Amino acid sequence: QSALTQPASVSGSPGQSITISCTGTSSDVGGYNYVSWYQQHPGKAPKLMIYDVSNRPSGVSNRFSGSKSGNTASLTISGLQAEDEADYYCSSYTSSSILGVFGTGTKVTVL
Amino acid sequence: QVQLVQSGAEVKKPGASVKVSCKVSGYTLTELSMHWVRQAPGKGLEWMGGFDPEDGETIYAQKFQGRVTMTEDTSTDTAYMELSSLRSEDTAVYYCATGALYSRSFDYWGQGTLVTVSS
Repeated sequence: QSALTQPASVSGSPGQSITISCTGTSSDVGGYNYVSWYQQHPGKAPKLMIYDVSNRPSGVSNRFSGSKSGNTASLTISGLQAEDEADYYCSSYTSSSILGVFGTGTKVTVL
Repeated sequence: QVQLVQSGAEVKKPGASVKVSCKVSGYTLTELSMHWVRQAPGKGLEWMGGFDPEDGETIYAQKFQGRVTMTEDTSTDTAYMELSSLRSEDTAVYYCATGALYSRSFDYWGQGTLVTVSS
């Protein structure tokens, strides 16, 4: 199972919006509405930010939103803040395994 | 609220095995689907395997089949991940991660356990 493709890095200034893409295939991202997104600060465990494409867990800021079109899912962070600087990973259910694939990861830098 | 507390760091020699534990509180293991994810230094997340509630079995990523065993002790609500025939490339932080039984996301994560494989 190949990893989902994400851009290596995305940057933006405070207050701006940025979008991170996550490209898979019809066997994972495109085939199911089970894409999730995780935020990871250095030395810390990942934290769930979005589940089932566009749902936010309780306690996650509404500045984070998710969407999907075809085989590509996206995470948008609006009103970028310094604390958003972290690595972000997408994940998808796949037809060949359960919750079996992560994205390559994107480093978000707040300029 | 689910809390996952993992065992401490390990240093192992090549060829040895390691067993990492993950203690659950706030819920019982039978209410959750437990998975294991690892992250090599400076690298991304890699799913190793987890519980499939559809058929009640644990499924392993093909890469680890034959070397990894994931078990659960429901009497103590503790999950275990044992990896054998260790090599230097297995040096990584190992996380347990879980969600509700039929959840398709990893809602809660352990703090991670660093396993170092070195001669």
